[in-house]
Amino acid sequence: GAVVSQHPSRVICKSGTSVKIECRSLDFQATTMFWYRQFPKQSLMLMATSNEGSKATYEQGVEKDKFLINHASLTLSTLTVTSAHPEDSSFYICSARDLLRGEKLFFGSGTQLSVL
Amino acid sequence: AQTVTQSQPEMSVQEAETVTLSCTYDTSESDYYLFWYKQPPSRQMILVIRQEAYKQQNATENRFSVNFQKAAKSFSLKISDSQLGDAAMYFCAYRSADNYGQNFVFGPGTRLSVLP
Repeated sequence: GAVVSQHPSRVICKSGTSVKIECRSLDFQATTMFWYRQFPKQSLMLMATSNEGSKATYEQGVEKDKFLINHASLTLSTLTVTSAHPEDSSFYICSARDLLRGEKLFFGSGTQLSVL
Repeated sequence: AQTVTQSQPEMSVQEAETVTLSCTYDTSESDYYLFWYKQPPSRQMILVIRQEAYKQQNATENRFSVNFQKAAKSFSLKISDSQLGDAAMYFCAYRSADNYGQNFVFGPGTRLSVLP
C-alpha cells in the first residue's frame, strides 16, 4: 500500500519557538494533503486542506498565521506551528490522497507536539 | 454538511468472539464512499475496509465485514474471531464521490477492547 512519512514523530519545544512538521508521500504523487489535529481520546479534527502549488484552505477557527502550510511539490507538505504556546500541544496527523486511488486516504504516523 | 455518528464510545469483546461496531451517517448525496479506519495505540491510522455506496454487496476483508444499509444510512463493522491485536480506536468515515478533493468526515470513534 501507499506510504506516507511524517517527521518528526515527537517534538518538545519552548514556548515562542516555531516547529515544522513534514509530510511526504513516498511512492505516489499527492495533489491533496490534509492536516488534522487530534486531542486525547477524540476524533480527528481537520485543520486545513493543502493542494500542491496553491494556498491551503483552512477550516473555520484555525488560524492561518499560526499554522502555516506549504505544499510545494507533489510529494511534500509541511505544517509550521509558529510561536508555539502550550495550548498548541497536541497530536498532529497528515494524510494524502493518491491520485490514482482517489477514494483512499493514507495517513502519516503523526507528530506529538509538546510545548513547554 | 455530512455528519458521521458512532453511538458506542467503548466496546469490549472476548478473544475469538464476534463484535459489531455501529456507524450512522447523514447525507443528501447519492454517491459516496464509506470507510472504517483503525487507530491502535501506536496512533497510526490504518484502513480496515471501504464500501462504495453504489455497490449493494457488503464489503469483506478477511475477518472484517460491513453491513451497509443505504436507505437507513447505516454502516456497521463486524469483526469475527477477534484477536488481541484488534484492540484500537475505530473510526467510521465518509467521503463524497462528487468532489475529488473533498475531505473525509470522521465519526467520534469507538474504543474496542479485546479481553483474553
